Amino acid sequence: GNSVTQMEGPVTLSEEAFLTINCTYTATGYPSLFWYVQYPGEGLQLLLKATKADDKGSNKGFEATYRKETTSFHLEKGSVQVSDSAVYFCALRYAQGAQKLVFGQGTRLTINP
Amino acid sequence: DGGITQSPKYLFRKEGQNVTLSCEQNLNHDAMYWYRQDPGQGLRLIYYSQIVNDFQKGDIAEGYSVSREKKESFPLTVTSAQKNPTAFYLCASSRGQADNQPQHFGDGTRLSIL
Repeated sequence: GNSVTQMEGPVTLSEEAFLTINCTYTATGYPSLFWYVQYPGEGLQLLLKATKADDKGSNKGFEATYRKETTSFHLEKGSVQVSDSAVYFCALRYAQGAQKLVFGQGTRLTINP
Repeated sequence: DGGITQSPKYLFRKEGQNVTLSCEQNLNHDAMYWYRQDPGQGLRLIYYSQIVNDFQKGDIAEGYSVSREKKESFPLTVTSAQKNPTAFYLCASSRGQADNQPQHFGDGTRLSIL
C-alpha cells in the first residue's frame, strides 16, 4: 500500500543551524509529494511540493527534492529561525480517481535562540 | 480573502450525543475532505467528496457521517457510535482531481468529551 515514514521527533536545533527532516515513501505509480507545516493550534499550510522525479520544491528557504531512486523527499533548510518552530508533515498523493493524501506522523521542530 | 472556515474552534460533547462540525469554503473548490489528527500522529482521512451530492468513505469512516448539499459546505457529524471522538478535526479542499492541485486546510476544530 501507500505509506510515508518521517524521522521521529522532536528535533531541537539552535538558530542558524542546518535542518534536515527525512521522509521516505512507499507508493504504487508516481505520486506527488508534499511538505505541510502546522503551527500551534492551527491547521496545515502547504510548504512545498513536487510532482515528478527530480523536481525540487522550494519555499521560504526550505527545499526538498523528489528522489525516485531512493523513494525520498527530505526537507532541508540552510539556516533555521525561531519562527520555523512547528510540526512538519510529509505527504504523498496518489491520483487514482481521487486526491487522497497519505501523511507521515509529523516531526516536531523546536528552534532555540 | 478566500479560505476555509471551520467552526467552532472548540467543541465539547456529552456521552451519547451527536455533534456536527462545520466547514465552509469560498475557494470554489470541487473537492472537500475531513481528517482526524491525534496527538503525535499524522492525519487520517475520514470522508471526502469530489462533487456536490457525492461523498466516499476514507480510512476511518466508522462513527462519522457527512453531507454535501452545497459546493461550499461539507459538515461532519460525529455520532454516538464513535467511541473515541476526542481529537483535532481538520477540513480541507482542493480545486479538482488534477495532480498538481494542493489541498488547502482550515484551522481545525478540537473536540473533547465531557
